[in-house]
Amino acid sequence: AQSVSQHNHHVILSEAASLELGCNYSYGGTVNLFWYVQYPGQHLQLLLKYFSGDPLVKGIKGFEAEFIKSKFSFNLRKPSVQWSDTAEYFCAFLPSGTYKYIFGTGTRLKVLA
Amino acid sequence: EAGVAQSPRYKIIEKRQSVAFWCNPISGHATLYWYQQILGQGPKLLIQFQNNGVVDDSQLPKDRFSAERLKGVDSTLKIQPAKLEDSAVYLCASSFTSGASYNEQFFGPGTRLTVL
Repeated sequence: AQSVSQHNHHVILSEAASLELGCNYSYGGTVNLFWYVQYPGQHLQLLLKYFSGDPLVKGIKGFEAEFIKSKFSFNLRKPSVQWSDTAEYFCAFLPSGTYKYIFGTGTRLKVLA
Repeated sequence: EAGVAQSPRYKIIEKRQSVAFWCNPISGHATLYWYQQILGQGPKLLIQFQNNGVVDDSQLPKDRFSAERLKGVDSTLKIQPAKLEDSAVYLCASSFTSGASYNEQFFGPGTRLTVL
């Protein structure tokens, strides 16, 4: 079955710490990959996306993610987190040629000031 | 640019009652999605419309859930009768067109449904 695994459900970091959130998908074909973020009290919004080309993609607010096809992974990274990065982060993928976005269960990140 | 609007924001009902949610997508967006997000889980696609036609409703529990998008703009999602397990946040999203040639999905604030 097509699915997304996010390994960390809750992460607590201090400001300036480095962040890496894991995401693995289960699908044998070509995929499009996304990270969404939901800040407290706000809507889900797109953080970054991968469709093709350079497997290292950069998004808003200093976030980046690397697509490693052999590992079916699309981990999210940020070298130095800020208190304002406190949010819930969702990994999602879209099997190529389909319309059905599949989301992971999310990771709640809390950054301590 | 106005975002995706949803109402109501919160709804509390008893099991076996009916409930309806409304969504107004961003102007000009042909594709509209309804998601169900149960606490502790990611959003799950229930139904996707392209204009007023259904593209995918494979995960919609059709015995109790229905959705329509008359005139290809606003949409309503109905649950009749509700069960305890329907307690969730119902998210509406829209995009300029559908996922085959990517256009970003924009999400609304959601409707939090509690079934007692």
